[in-house]
Amino acid sequence: DQQVKQNSPSLSVQEGRISILNCDYTNSMFDYFLWYKKYPAEGPTFLISISSIKDKNEDGRFTVFLNKSAKHLSLHIVPSQPGDSAVYFCAAIRNAGNMLTFGGGTRLMVKP
Amino acid sequence: DAMVIQNPRYQVTQFGKPVTLSCSQTLNHNVMYWYQQKSSQAPKLLFHYYDKDFNNEADTPDNFQSRRPNTSFCFLDIRSPGLGDAAMYLCATSQDRHAGYTFGSGTRLTVV
Repeated sequence: DQQVKQNSPSLSVQEGRISILNCDYTNSMFDYFLWYKKYPAEGPTFLISISSIKDKNEDGRFTVFLNKSAKHLSLHIVPSQPGDSAVYFCAAIRNAGNMLTFGGGTRLMVKP
Repeated sequence: DAMVIQNPRYQVTQFGKPVTLSCSQTLNHNVMYWYQQKSSQAPKLLFHYYDKDFNNEADTPDNFQSRRPNTSFCFLDIRSPGLGDAAMYLCATSQDRHAGYTFGSGTRLTVV
């Protein structure tokens, strides 16, 4: 039973355009959400996070939106750059907990 | 730089031959995790240590064991590796749930 799902295994975007990566979750006990970026042969690196009490968090080119009623979050990257090409993992933490539950990842390719 | 280091980066072991993967951290985080990631799948939590307290996930096979002799080091022991254990093994640490995890670069295990 996959509690965090990323339904698009891959996404291709032109440089300078917006990249939108989506994530759905089923467990209503999740109260904190994170996005990680992973290059080949490296561990995931933390990108941006959002608490369930917010619906938007922005950090430079990266914005995460949370729709609690739909149990959906998305990561927007604008403008997209070739260096953004990587696998992006959505992850969630249960309230009062510390364990990450990951989605399956979306491979983003930004074409020059 | 404070970091999480995994050795070796690549490990080849024979079917059924015990193997140990190592992880060290200079962050002084009190929680350490081991994740298994197979191709195109979400990282799956095997177990974690909160200080010296060991926490096993219910579906982690008995074939996988872990040791944390001190704050800085954590080991993953696979007693009798099978072909299905070939994967990327990720070590991570955390101190504050809102800061997410810090991951090592991973060890890619091949079983021959």
